[in-house]
Formats: sequence, C-alpha cells, structure tokens
Amino acid sequence: EDQVTQSPEALRLQEGESSSLNCSYTVSGLRGLFWYRQDPGKGPEFLFTLYSAGEEKEKERLKATLTKKESFLHITAPKPEDSATYLCAVQADNYGQNFVFGPGTRLSVLP
Amino acid sequence: DSGVTQTPKHLITATGQRVTLRCSPRSGDLSVYWYQQSLDQGLQFLIQYYNGEERAKGNILERFSAQQFPDLHSELNLSSLELGDSALYFCASSVGGGDNGYTFGSGTRLTVV
Repeated sequence: EDQVTQSPEALRLQEGESSSLNCSYTVSGLRGLFWYRQDPGKGPEFLFTLYSAGEEKEKERLKATLTKKESFLHITAPKPEDSATYLCAVQADNYGQNFVFGPGTRLSVLP
Repeated sequence: DSGVTQTPKHLITATGQRVTLRCSPRSGDLSVYWYQQSLDQGLQFLIQYYNGEERAKGNILERFSAQQFPDLHSELNLSSLELGDSALYFCASSVGGGDNGYTFGSGTRLTVV
C-alpha cells in the first residue's frame, strides 16, 4: 500500500539547535518529492522538489535530501521564524499529476 | 500574497445546507486543484481541473462537485453538509502538471454547526 509518513510528529528546538525532519515513502514510480511549509491558518508554501536519489536542494537554513526510501529536511541554526508545519508530498505514477501529502512535522523554534 | 485567491475566508453554515467556495488561480496557471485539510486527515486531494476539464478525482464525496469556468476560476460546491465536513478547503494552481509544485491559496475555513 502506498504510504507517506513523517517523523517526528512535533519537534521543539532552541534557536541555533540544528536538526532533521524525516519523510518516508513507499510508492511505486516516484516522479517527485516535494517539501512545503505551512504556517497556521495559511496555505502550504512550496519549498523544494527532489526528483532522484542523491539529489540535494538548499534554501537559506534548509537543505533537502532524497534517497530511494526517504527524504530529510535538515534545518541548520534555526530561528524562531522557522517555526511552522513542514509537509512532504509525493507525486507518483499512480496519482497522475496529484500529490499525496504526509501528515507533517510541527516545528517550534524557541528563542 | 501567493496569487491564488480564495473566497470567502470563513464560512459558518448549518447541517444540510449547501455552500460554494470560489478560487481564482494564479495568472497563467491552467490547472486548479482542490484539497481538504482536517485535523485528523491532513491534506486530502479532492479534484483537479485543467483548462476547464476535469483531470483527476481523489477522495471527493458525491455530495461535493466542482467546475472550472472559461476564465479559469473554479468553484467547489458542497451540499447536504454534515458536521464532519468542517475543515479548511484549499485551492492550488499550477501551470501544467505541478512538477514544480503548486501555489496554494490561503484557504476557506468551513464550519458546519
């Protein structure tokens, strides 16, 4: 059964304390893995797309990596403004042009 | 402002009623997607339109329907509303197949009482 899971469910970090969020997937024919950031009461905001194992993308304090079974979102020296829910989503052959979203990781960065 | 406009932002209605949610996609985007987000289900894909035609269906109930008009705006119609339909409804748009991600609107929060 196709599945997208994320861990941990919630994460509290001190400002400057680096960490990683995980997105694991079991789908057939992965076409892309996407990371989004969602602030409370707002729509998800696109961050990265990864297409193949070994690929990495960076944006400011965020770095996304992809293997054949999972993706990591590494957060280096986070700031309070990085607090949000981070969602991963997969696009696969079974889903056409649509995404299957994971449940998200709720990140809180304390000053 | 993402460029995707959803109205209304909030909607409170009674069980059994019908509502219409509206979405204007980002300029130049031909695909419109509707998603439902509830606390226990996360983001669930409902339906996609591309240039006026239905392209894909997800977990959309028979009580729900959608359409995309010639000017590319889309409407999601929810009827015979139940308490469990209370959720955030997001519209997203993309130029084509969304390979570079979608652009989401800020959502409509529907509360059924």
